[in-house]
Amino acid sequence: AQKVTQAQTEISVVEKEDVTLDCVYETRDTTYYLFWYKQPPSGELVFLIRRNSFDEQNEISGRYSWNFQKSTSSFNFTITASQVVDSAVYFCALSEAGGTYKYIFGTGTRLKVLA
Amino acid sequence: DGGITQSPKYLFRKEGQNVTLSCEQNLNHDAMYWYRQDPGQGLRLIYYSQIVNDFQKGDIAEGYSVSREKKESFPLTVTSAQKNPTAFYLCASSLDGFLGANVLTFGAGSRLTVL
Repeated sequence: AQKVTQAQTEISVVEKEDVTLDCVYETRDTTYYLFWYKQPPSGELVFLIRRNSFDEQNEISGRYSWNFQKSTSSFNFTITASQVVDSAVYFCALSEAGGTYKYIFGTGTRLKVLA
Repeated sequence: DGGITQSPKYLFRKEGQNVTLSCEQNLNHDAMYWYRQDPGQGLRLIYYSQIVNDFQKGDIAEGYSVSREKKESFPLTVTSAQKNPTAFYLCASSLDGFLGANVLTFGAGSRLTVL
């Protein structure tokens, strides 16, 4: 069965610190997709990144970077030099390649960046 | 700008009443979804629709109903049969509902409180 685990319920950091949000997934499929979404206080989830199971290259986008490791079934998210605006709930999600389409979301990690 | 509009943003309901949450999208997406968010539980799928005039139950459909008469609209009715309806409800859409690679676009959510 598919499962996404975000063990960190809440993390607090001081502005400019680096922070890593962990995501561990389970799936029996060989082809799947992993996602990260950000939910700011306004409530609307915003897409951050998508990775397919065949692409293990790390991704960097500004202060954000993602480390995908199939060997450990992890897709971790690092924010470098965190800012107050990064305060939000971050969700990791998994979906299968095709057929009946359904995301499996983790329970989310609430990040608080203190000024 | 294209997006998803949910209304109302806040809704209060007395026990025994049905309420309908509106979701409209102008993205020309085929697929639409309703999720329920409770603290510490992530997002759980209530119903989804991959095409007009068709919809499927998600993981927690009991006590809810939907319709998909138009491509752009996917209203959710929370019935009196839903035992614990107080939650944050999120509507989402994707280009189609058959590919796991699709990114979800979310609305800003509706917060329902039962008095």
